[in-house]
Amino acid sequence: AQTIHQWPVAEIKAVGSPLSLGCTIKGKSSPNLYWYWQATGGTLQQLFYSITVGQVESVVQLNLSASRPKDDQFILSTEKLLLSHSGFYLCAWSLPRNSDYTFGSGTRLLVI
Amino acid sequence: SQWGEENLQALSIQEGEDVTMNCSYKTYTTVVQWYRQKSGKGPAQLILIRSNEREKRSGRLRATLDTSSQSSSLSITGTLATDTAVYFCATDQGGRALIFGTGTTVSVSP
Repeated sequence: AQTIHQWPVAEIKAVGSPLSLGCTIKGKSSPNLYWYWQATGGTLQQLFYSITVGQVESVVQLNLSASRPKDDQFILSTEKLLLSHSGFYLCAWSLPRNSDYTFGSGTRLLVI
Repeated sequence: SQWGEENLQALSIQEGEDVTMNCSYKTYTTVVQWYRQKSGKGPAQLILIRSNEREKRSGRLRATLDTSSQSSSLSITGTLATDTAVYFCATDQGGRALIFGTGTTVSVSP
């Protein structure tokens, strides 16, 4: 069975510090991968998507970057966190030409 | 409604009642999806309706889609306390993006 795992579950970080969030999908080959950000009480805003290893398209950057170093791994990062980066980060996957999206459990980030 | 001029952001109902929430979208799509997000969790897909379908049912859920008015609705019959969540509609942009609406908070009291 396919699984999606996000890490860490939660982080408290200082403004100006670096960040790296990860997402791994097991049990599916060549999935489309997505990063979303959600402010508390808000909607989901898509940040990035990737349809293949090494290729990442930006939707809204928010001073963040993403990489896909392996077929089953998606990384979200920044070198300098801002207060506005606080929120809930969600990774999702779908199969090409398939509209079924599966979301991970998310990473809760608080920047202080 | 999500995205529309009438933003019905929150609903409070009693267990057993039926509830309907609406969504209007601006970006052309052939697929509208409905998601449920419980507190602290990622959203879970509930139902997907395509442009060639006017209505789709799944258990206690019923979704409708009117492509001429670019609107969709989700109804839940016989609500349970466990239906308490935020419900989002989303338009599928061909695998490159899933654009979410503003969400409707549904609170079901036992």
